[in-house]
Amino acid sequence: GAVVSQHPSRVICKSGTSVKIECRSLDFQATTMFWYRQFPKQSLMLMATSNEGSKATYEQGVEKDKFLINHASLTLSTLTVTSAHPEDSSFYICSARDPGRGGYEQYFGPGTRLTVT
Amino acid sequence: QKEVEQDPGPLSVPEGAIVSLNCTYSNSAFQYFMWYRQYSRKGPELLMYTYSSGNKEDGRFTAQVDKSSKYISLFIRDSQPSDSATYLCAMSAGAQKLVFGQGTRLTINP
Repeated sequence: GAVVSQHPSRVICKSGTSVKIECRSLDFQATTMFWYRQFPKQSLMLMATSNEGSKATYEQGVEKDKFLINHASLTLSTLTVTSAHPEDSSFYICSARDPGRGGYEQYFGPGTRLTVT
Repeated sequence: QKEVEQDPGPLSVPEGAIVSLNCTYSNSAFQYFMWYRQYSRKGPELLMYTYSSGNKEDGRFTAQVDKSSKYISLFIRDSQPSDSATYLCAMSAGAQKLVFGQGTRLTINP
């Protein structure tokens, strides 16, 4: 139980283009999803928290116009990196809470490796 | 000072050894504690989830929380090469965001 998927697993795009990453909760409904970014050999950095049907809450220093987050349903959240540049290349990971389990643990997707050329 | 401190290692032990991984924290409001295992180029996998102080055991894994000392531990018994990964501690005060440690890189040598 508590399976989270991400698509695509890796993507290469050209500088200036936009890329959309999908995060799905497969066997539960996630009212809250999270988006993280991870640099090599570093821990996870929270980018934003998204709640179904409302605007995402971004962490300090994260450009909301560059990293667009949509949580339109209880099983799907998307992260769109707009006008991507090489410095946006990173490992992006989503997570979700399963409210049916009654706790605050997060279940993570497998991650998406973005390379901007 | 970081809210959560975790020795990044690397830690290398022989197969079959008992592994001890630790984190300290400064925020006394933390009540929910997690350990995640992350293989290279993969998302973190939840290993253990505990609330407040005490011990929790699941197979070869044991999680301990000592809130009085603000110290949490993960023990791995009979360690296997497949346990080689980065282990992340994480904690929260509830519905708030998770705060992660830096992660400890562990290698189990056959």
